[in-house]
Amino acid sequence: GESVGLHLPTLSVQEGDNSIINCAYSNSASDYFIWYKQESGKGPQFIIDIRSNMDKRQGQRVTVLLNKTVKHLSLQIAATQPGDSAVYFCAEIGGSEKLVFGKGTKLTVNP
Amino acid sequence: DVKVTQSSRYLVKRTGEKVFLECVQDMDHENMFWYRQDPGLGLRLIYFSYDVKMKEKGDIPEGYSVSREKKERFSLILESASTNQTSMYLCATTMVGRRRGYTFGSGTRLTVV
Repeated sequence: GESVGLHLPTLSVQEGDNSIINCAYSNSASDYFIWYKQESGKGPQFIIDIRSNMDKRQGQRVTVLLNKTVKHLSLQIAATQPGDSAVYFCAEIGGSEKLVFGKGTKLTVNP
Repeated sequence: DVKVTQSSRYLVKRTGEKVFLECVQDMDHENMFWYRQDPGLGLRLIYFSYDVKMKEKGDIPEGYSVSREKKERFSLILESASTNQTSMYLCATTMVGRRRGYTFGSGTRLTVV
C-alpha cells in the first residue's frame, strides 16, 4: 500500500543554522505533497505544499524540494529559530482526498 | 479562519467502556476525518466522511465506528475501549477539492486503563 516515511525521527540543530528534514514516499501516483508542523499540544499546521509537476517551491524561510526520480521530499528551514522546534510531518495525496502521513521528525533547536 | 473543536483535551476511560469523541467545525466543510497519532507511527486514518450520513473506512478502522448526523459534527466511537486504543486522536476537515485546506483540531489524548 502507499506509505510516506521520514529518514530520521529526531534532528537537533543550533539556532541560526539551516535545517533539512527528509521524507521518502513510495506511491508514485501521488501528485501533491504537504509539510506540516505540529507544536506541542496542538494539531498539525500547514507549512508549505508542492505539486508533482514542480521540483522546488519556496516560502518564507522554508523551501520544499521534490525529487520524483527517487521519490524523495525535503523541507529546508533557513536560519532556524527556537520557535521552529516542533514535529514535522510530510504528507501526500494521490487520487483521493485522503492525506497519508509520514512518521514525523522532531526538530529541536538549541540556543 | 476555520475552527475545528474537539470536545475534550484529555480523557481517561476504563477498558470496556463505550467512548465518544466529538469534533465540530464551523465552516461548512464537506470532508471530515479522524486520525490517531502514536509515537513513531505518525498519523493514521481511522475513518472519514464526505457528507452527512456518509462514512468510509480508513487504514485502521477496527474497534472504531463513526457518526455524522449533521454536517458540522463528526463523532468517533470506541464501542468497547481497550488499552491499545490509548492514543492522541485528531480530527481534520477540508472542503471538497481543497487538498491544501486541511484544518486540524488540537487533539484529544485518550488513556484507557
